Amino acid sequence: EAQVTQNPRYLITVTGKKLTVTCSQNMNHEYMSWYRQDPGLGLRQIYYSMNVEVTDKGDVPEGYKVSRKEKRNFPLILESPSPNQTSLYFCASSQLVVSHLIAGDTDTQYFGPGTRLTVL
Amino acid sequence: AQSVTQLGSHVSVSEGALVLLRCNYSSSVPPYLFWYVQYPNQGLQLLLKYTSAATLVKGINGFEAEFKKSETSFHLTKPSAHMSDAAEYFCAVALGAQKLVFGQGTRLTINP
Repeated sequence: EAQVTQNPRYLITVTGKKLTVTCSQNMNHEYMSWYRQDPGLGLRQIYYSMNVEVTDKGDVPEGYKVSRKEKRNFPLILESPSPNQTSLYFCASSQLVVSHLIAGDTDTQYFGPGTRLTVL
Repeated sequence: AQSVTQLGSHVSVSEGALVLLRCNYSSSVPPYLFWYVQYPNQGLQLLLKYTSAATLVKGINGFEAEFKKSETSFHLTKPSAHMSDAAEYFCAVALGAQKLVFGQGTRLTINP
């Protein structure tokens, strides 16, 4: 079954304690991305990756790190979590679209089930 | 810069009534537009997308959306609401290769 998986699904931690949220996809997608969802703000992109060893900042990258050593995995790292990082996090993946002239399903992003993080 | 605005953070309709969720976009280039649905405690699922083909786009679960360039809108509709449609709905515009910019979301409640 084609899917994006995230672990853990729920996490409660304390300020300053490093944590990693894993994301894995089995669809051989080049593109992967992390979003955070906050009430009234929709989803905001944290980081994205166009391929292995290629990552870039999204709209709200402060306080986060990512790595893309393998195509299927894209972990999100919080080196020193703070309470303002309490949020619902989603990982997504899709095939890479070079041009908007390309139609079809390659634009569709597939989302993981989410990780609810609470930082005390 | 591309962006989307969803009018109404909460919409409530009766079962069997028309569902209308509003989305307006701003884009300097022909946009790719999406509607995603999020059921409670789940991730986002694609409902439908507009990619410059037909302006009326049909999606899953009986939903459809019409791209209106003159109004810069991409409103989501369903003729008859079901209880199972209760969820949060997000409009999004594609910004460059793969980057999605989401609206604030609209929570749809269905009254029996």
